Amino acid sequence: EAQVTQNPRYLITVTGKKLTVTCSQNMNHEYMSWYRQDPGLGLRQIYYSMNVEVTDKGDVPEGYKVSRKEKRNFPLILESPSPNQTSLYFCASSLTGRNEQFFGPGTRLTVL
Amino acid sequence: AQSVTQPDIHITVSEGASLELRCNYSYGATPYLFWYVQSPGQGLQLLLKYFSGDTLVQGIKGFEAEFKRSQSSFNLRKPSVHWSDAAEYFCAHLPEYGNKLVFGAGTILRVKS
Repeated sequence: EAQVTQNPRYLITVTGKKLTVTCSQNMNHEYMSWYRQDPGLGLRQIYYSMNVEVTDKGDVPEGYKVSRKEKRNFPLILESPSPNQTSLYFCASSLTGRNEQFFGPGTRLTVL
Repeated sequence: AQSVTQPDIHITVSEGASLELRCNYSYGATPYLFWYVQSPGQGLQLLLKYFSGDTLVQGIKGFEAEFKRSQSSFNLRKPSVHWSDAAEYFCAHLPEYGNKLVFGAGTILRVKS
C-alpha cells in the first residue's frame, strides 16, 4: 500500500531532551516536507526536500533540523525542544514539488 | 507573500443540506489549488485538485470545486451533506512558480441531524 508513515504517533517529552520523528514513504517520491499544525493557523511548512541531500527552510524552521540521506526517509530532529514546539506534526511527500502531496498520519508532540 | 484565506472558521449545516466552503488565494495567475479534508485524529486526505483546464473540478466523496480566476477563489461545494462529512477542511495553494504549498487556516464543518 502506498503510504507515508511517521513514528512515533504520540510523544511527550521534556524541555531540552533531543528527539527525532521519523518519516518514510514508499512511493519513490522526490519531494518530502514537514509541517506543523496549530489551531487557527492551519499547516505551516517547517522544512522541505526536493531530492536526496537537498533540503531547504520553510516558513517556520527555527528549532528544527532535517536530513535527507535516502530518498524514502526524511527525519525531523528537535535538538533542544521547547514548550512552544508542542504541536501536531505532519510529514508529506509528492512526486515532485509540483504535484499533490500525500500526508502521513501525524505525530502529536507535547514538550513539558 | 502568498496567502490563502478561508473566511469561515466554523460552519454548521443540517444533514442533507448543501454546502459551500470558501477559499481565496492571493498570489499567482495560474496557481495549482487543492482541497484537503482532515477527519478527527487523522491525517490529511486530498479531496480534489485544480491544475489547469476545466474550472469545475470533481473530487472524491461527492465534492466539487470551482476555480474563478477573476475572484481568486476556489470554493468547495457539495449538494447534500452527510454526517460523515463532519471534519476540518483545508484549502491549499501552490503558485505557478515555486514548490511551497501554502495552506489556509481551515474550516471546521459540523453536521447536525
